[in-house]
Amino acid sequence: EDQVTQSPEALRLQEGESSSLNCSYTVSGLRGLFWYRQDPGKGPEFLFTLYSAGEEKEKERLKATLTKKESFLHITAPKPEDSATYLCAVQAGNYGQNFVFGPGTRLSVLP
Amino acid sequence: EAQVTQNPRYLITVTGKKLTVTCSQNMNHEYMSWYRQDPGLGLRQIYYSMNVEVTDKGDVPEGYKVSRKEKRNFPLILESPSPNQTSLYFCASRLRGVVSSYEQYFGPGTRLTVT
Repeated sequence: EDQVTQSPEALRLQEGESSSLNCSYTVSGLRGLFWYRQDPGKGPEFLFTLYSAGEEKEKERLKATLTKKESFLHITAPKPEDSATYLCAVQAGNYGQNFVFGPGTRLSVLP
Repeated sequence: EAQVTQNPRYLITVTGKKLTVTCSQNMNHEYMSWYRQDPGLGLRQIYYSMNVEVTDKGDVPEGYKVSRKEKRNFPLILESPSPNQTSLYFCASRLRGVVSSYEQYFGPGTRLTVT
């Protein structure tokens, strides 16, 4: 069974304090790994796609990396506006039709 | 503007009263999907559709129905809602295919309460 876990469940950082979020997965036939940001009361917003071990993607203060069993979302010098829930998901299935999401990490960045 | 729309955004209903949540996208995407989001469980896929008239079950399909008669619309139907279907529902769409770079666009969500 395809599974995605995320840690920590919640994270509080001071503004400027860098950290990393973890996403561990077990999936047969990984098609891609996705990171999303979700603000309260809104739908998830796409951040990154990774599909091969060793791949890295960057966007402003965020950097996502991928290994064969996990992915990390590194947040460098975060700002209060980075506060959100970060979701990890894997795409699987013969036609890439299935998406399995992790429970998310709720990030709070304090000024 | 490229978007996925859902209606209604909020719905309170009673057990057993049939309801439909509509979903529409304007991006000509073949693939559409419904998810429910519950605290601690994350997003779970209910049904998906690879194209018109092609639908299939996701991880939690019990108690739900879908139809895909037009490319842009993918309604979620609860024939006899029960309290355990109280949840936040999201519709999403993307281009069809295994290419992982195809971004999945999400709607704003529908918060459903079944009493």
